Amino acid sequence: QQQVKQSPQSLIVQKGGISIINCAYENTAFDYFPWYQQFPGKGPALLIAIRPDVSEKKEGRFTISFNKSAKQFSLHIMDSQPGDSATYFCAASTGRRALTFGSGTRLQVQP
Amino acid sequence: AAGVIQSPRHLIKEKRETATLKCYPIPRHDTVYWYQQGPGQDPQFLISFYEKMQSDKGSIPDRFSAQQFSDYHSELNMSSLELGDSALYFCASSFTGELFFGEGSRLTVL
Repeated sequence: QQQVKQSPQSLIVQKGGISIINCAYENTAFDYFPWYQQFPGKGPALLIAIRPDVSEKKEGRFTISFNKSAKQFSLHIMDSQPGDSATYFCAASTGRRALTFGSGTRLQVQP
Repeated sequence: AAGVIQSPRHLIKEKRETATLKCYPIPRHDTVYWYQQGPGQDPQFLISFYEKMQSDKGSIPDRFSAQQFSDYHSELNMSSLELGDSALYFCASSFTGELFFGEGSRLTVL
């Protein structure tokens, strides 16, 4: 049973558009919610992360929105670029415990 | 900046052989995590170490074992390899809870 559910499985966006990926979790003990970007054959790279005491965090073109009551969080990529084409994973953890990953979203940004 | 170093990057083994993967965490990071990622799958947590002690255990097969040494590097030992063990194996290290991943070791079992 996936503890962190991610959607959509794949996403095609035009260059300059907004990419939106959603995640939902069940474990209310989770207190750390990162997003990772992964290119084929490479390790996941930390993109942006949020803790439940804030509802939104923005870093450059990347924004996390967090809804604690709904147990949902999402990644918005503004002005999407072809170089953003990769697989994106949401994740969650508690304290020093290991991350539990979502199933991933394959993003393709078309020129 | 220093990153997580994994070796070897690629490894080819026969069924029933053994393999050892090594991980060198970012300096001053006290926690190491091992993950397994199959093709098109999300990373699956195997095991972690905090200050050289096993701290958490995930879906690690009994055929696998791991340890963290006094210099904080970690090794994942895999025995009686099966075809299904073919995957990318990632090591990640952390100090504050943010996990930083290495480039991975690709294991192919023939």
